[in-house]
Amino acid sequence: ILNVEQSPQSLHVQEGDSTNFTCSFPSSNFYALHWYRWETAKSPEALFVMTLNGDEKKKGRISATLNTKEGYSYLYIKGSQPEDSATYLCARRGQKVTFGTGTKLQVIP
Amino acid sequence: DGGITQSPKYLFRKEGQNVTLSCEQNLNHDAMYWYRQDPGQGLRLIYYSQIVNDFQKGDIAEGYSVSREKKESFPLTVTSAQKNPTAFYLCASSIGGPQPQHFGDGTRLSIL
Repeated sequence: ILNVEQSPQSLHVQEGDSTNFTCSFPSSNFYALHWYRWETAKSPEALFVMTLNGDEKKKGRISATLNTKEGYSYLYIKGSQPEDSATYLCARRGQKVTFGTGTKLQVIP
Repeated sequence: DGGITQSPKYLFRKEGQNVTLSCEQNLNHDAMYWYRQDPGQGLRLIYYSQIVNDFQKGDIAEGYSVSREKKESFPLTVTSAQKNPTAFYLCASSIGGPQPQHFGDGTRLSIL
């Protein structure tokens, strides 16, 4: 993998459903992985900073895992709520910061 | 409140004009960044600066210029050499190391 890739590109889920999405990135020269939430008409806001292989972070209903050896991170949202609707960005920090194109999540009430 | 201020929120440019987008932060961060977002694409790095009086080109620096004369300020000039400047521009800063970036609210630039 040469770039940071996120999948799926967009996602619609019903309120109460749990969901997850993927960030894949080059595993060489890895320094850190960031997850951001970007709500419409706001600026991106950092959710997690992950640095170590096997890291697991949690904030409320949202959690993330990191595998630096194979170059991927998962973001999980448990019991999705309408306020979770946003674009979720991951960014790989190596020598520079490289962003994925994001996963746009819409939670339907 | 600490944060990043970008101005203006909307900016219109005539063909052949240079325009400057302002970015100011009061977070005492050493590193600052400029990104461009086009519809359906991710954030692409234009320029970044890790310390005052020093900056490096990002992935799409052609047609842009920056300065970093003060820690708080990292203005971006979109020159007439940038043939497709219509986009949403985001400025960010970070304390450095593995820490994440803090973002401004963005400037939307359009061509008249």
